[in-house]
Amino acid sequence: AQSVTQLDSHVSVSEGTPVLLRCNYSSSYSPSLFWYVQHPNKGLQLLLKYTSAATLVKGINGFEAEFKKSETSFHLTKPSAHMSDAAEYFCVVSLSGSARQLTFGSGTQLTVLP
Amino acid sequence: DAGVIQSPRHEVTEMGQEVTLRCKLISGHNSLFWYRQTMMRGLELLIYFNNNVPIDDSGMPEDRFSAKMPNASFSTLKIQPSEPRDSAVYFCASSFGVAGANVLTFGAGSRLTVL
Repeated sequence: AQSVTQLDSHVSVSEGTPVLLRCNYSSSYSPSLFWYVQHPNKGLQLLLKYTSAATLVKGINGFEAEFKKSETSFHLTKPSAHMSDAAEYFCVVSLSGSARQLTFGSGTQLTVLP
Repeated sequence: DAGVIQSPRHEVTEMGQEVTLRCKLISGHNSLFWYRQTMMRGLELLIYFNNNVPIDDSGMPEDRFSAKMPNASFSTLKIQPSEPRDSAVYFCASSFGVAGANVLTFGAGSRLTVL
């Protein structure tokens, strides 16, 4: 069985400060892990993905995430938040076998304060 | 490429009416997924197709829901009759293949309100 837990439902940061969105997963197999972002009234957009290559994954818009097997974590970070980063972020885990087994986290709403 | 295109973007209907949601895949993609998003349950996979064939419909809530893929680029999700508890945002997403490592490209969603 697999599961994904996003540890914070809401995160607020000031513009220009670092962003940390936390995600822990549980999987019996080597997982594929994704972060998607959803802006208001839009569909989900891929930020980055991990598929057993480099453990530090760089994505779009300055985001990156580090796969830590020992901690079963895949936290999303950005050094400096921008107002346009305000959105909902989803951590997603997949067994390597099938997209039917994608499991979405419950989402973290990121607010960026001026 | 225009991406995954969904219509209508917003639908308000009365209980008992038929609702049809439409989705156009990205050219070259051969897998199509329908998701439902609500505050209570988050994102739920309803059904997915590979090469126009329904592979897994175990997420379809009940017989009132049906989905078709009449050709390689188009799909419909129908609810008949609709009920207030069907109110949600319905997303379709497409990919090339069904491997778990594949990236899904989502449409902008269809927001359904059933009164």
